[in-house]
Amino acid sequence: EAGVTQFPSHSVIEKGQTVTLRCDPISGHDNLYWYRRVMGKEIKFLLHFVKESKQDESGMPNNRFLAERTGGTYSTLKVQPAELEDSGVYFCASSQSGPDTQYFGPGTRLTVL
Amino acid sequence: GDSVTQMEGPVTLSEEAFLTINCTYTATGYPSLFWYVQYPGEGLQLLLKATKADDKGSNKGFEATYRKETTSFHLEKGSVQVSDSAVYFCALKPGANSKLTFGKGITLSVRP
Repeated sequence: EAGVTQFPSHSVIEKGQTVTLRCDPISGHDNLYWYRRVMGKEIKFLLHFVKESKQDESGMPNNRFLAERTGGTYSTLKVQPAELEDSGVYFCASSQSGPDTQYFGPGTRLTVL
Repeated sequence: GDSVTQMEGPVTLSEEAFLTINCTYTATGYPSLFWYVQYPGEGLQLLLKATKADDKGSNKGFEATYRKETTSFHLEKGSVQVSDSAVYFCALKPGANSKLTFGKGITLSVRP
């Protein structure tokens, strides 16, 4: 069974540009989470989808971040326009509804110059 | 709100040394507790978990016991190996299908 995959693995962009991160959860997992780790700090929650619906988006830092999960399968996280403080590693995780252990992807390292 | 506090790092040990990584938490109710590990160049992996007080999670020689009275979930291993070098994160989850709250993580380096 394939694990959680994320694309790209690395992205380097300039301030003001747009970047879209993608997450493919484990097949059949209804729950999908986005987290972010800024250098040397905690991994912080961004938002939680149940299927295609946003269950909790309390961790989204501001309206420059837009997450979607069309059809309840893969998810995208768009940052527009990117700022320097958006640099960090963005993790995606998925889980089933019953046994809800969260399985993480390898992360996308975003660098905003 | 919920929070997790981990001991400051980094930690460097010699192979076969005993490891303890402290973790304490603040939460309402009875959260589930987790240790995740990130090996170099890889994503986060669940190392072990405990879902109620006095439960002991164990995996790959690592153990942690859910101590409600001290709100702690310290990670221990009796004899570390070079391959245990990684970043270790303590985390809690307040209920089913809810977000994880992580500590800052601690980098462990094990030298031969």
